[in-house]
Amino acid sequence: DVVMTQSPLSLPVTLGQPASISCRSSESLVYSDGKTYLNWFQQRPGQSPRRLIYKVSNRDSGVPDRFSGSGSGTDFTLKISRVEAEDVGIYYCMQGTHWPLTFGGGTKLEIK
Amino acid sequence: EVQLVESGGGLVQPGGSLRLSCVASGFTFSYYSMSWVRQAPGRGLEWVAILNQDGSDTHYVDSVKGRFTISRDNAKNSLFLQMNSLRAEDTAVYYCARDRQLYRWGQGTLVTVSS
Repeated sequence: DVVMTQSPLSLPVTLGQPASISCRSSESLVYSDGKTYLNWFQQRPGQSPRRLIYKVSNRDSGVPDRFSGSGSGTDFTLKISRVEAEDVGIYYCMQGTHWPLTFGGGTKLEIK
Repeated sequence: EVQLVESGGGLVQPGGSLRLSCVASGFTFSYYSMSWVRQAPGRGLEWVAILNQDGSDTHYVDSVKGRFTISRDNAKNSLFLQMNSLRAEDTAVYYCARDRQLYRWGQGTLVTVSS
C-alpha cells in the first residue's frame, strides 16, 4: 500500500499568519493518464471531512483562495496564506492513484 | 447541491452483521463511482471500498475483504455496505463519498461493535 506521511502532526498558528503542511507518498502518485491524484481534506471539529484541493492544486468550489496546493511526484504541500479562526481542524492528504486509496495521518491546526 | 445521507448504523455484537445505506441527491448518481470511508473514534480516515458506476467493479481495503460487500441501486440513487463478521476494530463512523477522489461526503453513521 502507498504510505502517506504528513508533517507536522500539530500546527499551532497565530491568526493572520501563514501555515504549511507537508505530505509525502511512498510511491509516485502520477497515474497512467499523466495526472496526479493527490487531494487535501479539512475536517472541522464535529463535522464530516470536506475536500479542499484535488489533483494537487485545484481548489474545490467555495474554498477560499487563501488555500493552495502544490507539489509533484511524491512531495506535496498545502498552504494557508493567512490563517483564520474557521480554519481550525484536522487536515488530511489522500492519494487517489493506487489501490487501496490511502490517507495521511492528519495534521491538527490550532490557533496559538 | 450534492447531498449524501447515510443510515443503518447501530450497536451490533462481534460476529454480527449490519447493512448501511446512503441516499444521494443533487447529481446523476449513475454517472459516478461511490466510496465508503470510515473513521474510528478519535482516529484518522480509512478508505474502505469503492464501486464503479454500473456495479461491475469493486475494490476493498484488505482488512474488510471477504466480510464487507459494496453494492448500489441506481434506480433508487442508493449505495449500500453489507458488513458481516463484524469485529471490535470495525467500530467507526462510516461515510459515503462521491467518486474515487471523494468529492463530497455525507454526515456519517456510527457503527459500534461490542458485546
